[in-house]
Order: sequence, then structure tokens, then C-alpha cells
Amino acid sequence: EIVLTQSPGTLSLFPGERATLSCRASQNIPSNYLAWYQLRPGQAPRLLIHGASSRAADIPDRFSGSGSGRDFSLTISRLEPEDVAVYYCQQYGRSPPNTFGQGTKLEIK
Amino acid sequence: HITLKESGPTLVKPTQTLTLTCTFSGFSLSTSGEAVGWIRQPPGKDLEWLALIYWDDDKRYSPSLKTRSTITKDTSKNQVVLTLTNMDPLDTATYYCTKIVVRGVIPHYFEYWGQGTPVTVSS
Repeated sequence: EIVLTQSPGTLSLFPGERATLSCRASQNIPSNYLAWYQLRPGQAPRLLIHGASSRAADIPDRFSGSGSGRDFSLTISRLEPEDVAVYYCQQYGRSPPNTFGQGTKLEIK
Repeated sequence: HITLKESGPTLVKPTQTLTLTCTFSGFSLSTSGEAVGWIRQPPGKDLEWLALIYWDDDKRYSPSLKTRSTITKDTSKNQVVLTLTNMDPLDTATYYCTKIVVRGVIPHYFEYWGQGTPVTVSS
């Protein structure tokens, strides 16, 4: 089973700043089959990125994904207050089970 | 417009069976290539995939819960039902229903999610 480790655990930034979230896999993820999700309190979780870098429908271009092999990142440029959430990566290169990282909590100062 | 909504009890006693229903709209589980699944998140813990069902009624379960889980679908009602037997306080979590993108028979990512339903297991 692939283990995903996300860092940092918590990220606290000002509006307008750039956030970079990391997701490292315990082994190579085939075909860069990695997705990112946003979980905001009281709301349905939202798919942001799939295939490591493809934005899901209706996701603003402030959100971008990159990486390959074992190392992946999610970048949120120009942070907005609504971006406060916990962000999770998920691999589907070797599934089931599809495994998730432990999440990065993003706070806006 | 695709939506999913979970429903079920918010409180169950230990050893009881939990039955959760996912009611969805905007797609049909009778369409080839579609799949719906369940994910849960215990308080302060990681997301955990539980089970999924394909359009052709094939099913997959998390190895850790396989002996306790059953997933079924009612295509005419656009519903998927998850039952979990012998509930334990460790099963306390928010349970999410998701529409899954499938390639062939391989589940990929979770394209749409319900808002989740909290379930507490306590006597």
C-alpha cells in the first residue's frame, strides 16, 4: 500500500500570498495518478486536481498541481479567505484501496 | 448538475448495524462506466475509502472492513446503500458518498462528494 505524507501539517499565510503544499509518496505513483481535494467545514469536499496537474471542472486557475514519481505539490496563488480548508492528496495508481495523505490545514492570517 | 446526499442515523449503539443511504442526481448508475463509493473520516483522523459499487453491480471493499460491509444499489431510485455491521465506537466518523471516476474497472479519483453525514457510535 502506498503511504502519502503531506507537509506542512499547518500553513498560515496572508491573503494574496502563495501557498505550496507537498505530498510525498512511499513509492512511485504510476502514471502520476494523484488527486488533490479541498475540505471546508460544513461543505462537500471538492476535487481540485487529478492526474497530478489537471484542474477539475470549475476550479479557479489559482490552483495548480505539479510533480511526478514520488513528489507532488499543490500551489495556490493569491490566497483568498475562502481558501481556508484542509487539503488532501490521494493516489489512485495502485488501488484499491485508494489512499489519502493526512492533510494540510491552511489558515489565512 | 451532479449532487449526492447522505442520510442515516446520527447515533448507533455498539454492536448495532449502520445503514446509510446515498441519494444522487445528475447521472445514472445504470450507465456503463459509472461508480459510487463511500469514504469516512473519524474525528481528527485521515480519510478512509470504504467501498464502491460499479454500474454492472460489481463491488469492491476496503480489506479492513470487508467482513462487515455491504454495498448495494437501487438504480430506479438513484440510491446506493452501505451497511456496516457490528458497529464500534472506533467507527465514529463523518461518512461521505462519492461519485468515482473509473477507467476500465480501476477506480480513480472522487469527482463529486456529498456533504457527509456524522455518525456517532455510543451506548
